Amino acid sequence: GNSVTQMEGPVTLSEEAFLTINCTYTATGYPSLFWYVQYPGEGLQLLLKATKADDKGSNKGFEATYRKETTSFHLEKGSVQVSDSAVYFCALSGNNNDMRFGAGTRLTVKP
Amino acid sequence: EAGVAQSPRYKIIEKRQSVAFWCNPISGHATLYWYQQILGQGPKLLIQFQNNGVVDDSQLPKDRFSAERLKGVDSTLKIQPAKLEDSAVYLCASTSQRGNTIYFGEGSWLTVV
Repeated sequence: GNSVTQMEGPVTLSEEAFLTINCTYTATGYPSLFWYVQYPGEGLQLLLKATKADDKGSNKGFEATYRKETTSFHLEKGSVQVSDSAVYFCALSGNNNDMRFGAGTRLTVKP
Repeated sequence: EAGVAQSPRYKIIEKRQSVAFWCNPISGHATLYWYQQILGQGPKLLIQFQNNGVVDDSQLPKDRFSAERLKGVDSTLKIQPAKLEDSAVYLCASTSQRGNTIYFGEGSWLTVV
């Protein structure tokens, strides 16, 4: 079945460092890909998405490109801030609209 | 526009007791999901409805969990009898169509003691 594998955390970075969180997927057909974020004490929020190959999703300085050839959707940000500290989830939505999540990666950004 | 509504927000029960959670999705959203999120893990899909039909319930522990969406709008998730390992946040989510954003409720926090 469809599944998502993402980089295990936790990840600790200094402010203004470059961030990459790896995500790869297994799916039949043409899934849509998502990154969700969960800030401390809050619910899941959509960060960005891409619905077809080579699409780039972007929001709040974060970017991810849908790479069909490598079945990947890595999350990147050029300069992280303390306020980016959260848990990040990679997810995919398959042909039946079934939404599957990765295990999550906890990011801590230190001043 | 109102978001996904869930209740109760918090529930503490003893093992072997039963509990029910309610969800009202965003108006017009045909697809409704129930997820279980155990602390420190990603959300695990329990069941997916399309209108009042079940699309996927492969990860629902059917010996103790049940869910229904009789009129294709709101939904209930029941656990009977509860086990200690059922302690988790139960998230309801909805979307209008494939590829669109899925919106989550605030979750129902269950503690089984």
